[in-house]
Amino acid sequence: GAGVSQSPRYKVTKRGQDVALRCDPISGHVSLYWYRQALGQGPEFLTYFNYEAQQDKSGLPNDRFSAERPEGSISTLTIQRTEQRDSAMYRCASSLPREKLFFGSGTQLSVL
Amino acid sequence: QQPVQSPQAVILREGEDAVINCSSSKALYSVHWYRQKHGEAPVFLMILLKGGEQKGHDKISASFNEKKQQSSLYLTASQLSYSGTYFCGTAQTGANNLFFGTGTRLTVIP
Repeated sequence: GAGVSQSPRYKVTKRGQDVALRCDPISGHVSLYWYRQALGQGPEFLTYFNYEAQQDKSGLPNDRFSAERPEGSISTLTIQRTEQRDSAMYRCASSLPREKLFFGSGTQLSVL
Repeated sequence: QQPVQSPQAVILREGEDAVINCSSSKALYSVHWYRQKHGEAPVFLMILLKGGEQKGHDKISASFNEKKQQSSLYLTASQLSYSGTYFCGTAQTGANNLFFGTGTRLTVIP
């Protein structure tokens, strides 16, 4: 595609529900990153992939968070049993190896 | 692993210059700079690789001192369009993931 696409753009959920956030990277981009960004703060690293392999998941806050990229293209970030503290903007980015990142518009998650 | 940026915020009049600093405690392979406007995604400005290089893009340039694990972004003759939050992102030697600083909020006024 022309850019990194994320869906949904907004997600409102109730505490305890599971959510799945989707990222469709730029075609041909090997690397895919997930970040979380609080208002007024820098993007906080969560995890990243090269092709389908998850290279680093050290930024995932706890075991309620998981991510996959089964075919080396689209990725899903799943948050189980959501809590209010999970509310944030979740951003995906893609790149060629060690090159500039292209960010998506993000998914604004609100947990009530 | 998060780099430290300074200053946290700066206000400039059009035409003035500014310097934003970024430092890390880890050995770095590269430093990225991005600008984010309110309500939008971060947008790439430039990338500097190990080797102490400098780069320029119009009136925005940057340097990278790998020995000190520091980078600086220089904005000269600032324009209103330069307003936004600037983030540095650092990649450590041997790793591909990018960690971002807390940001520097730049406001340019007429």
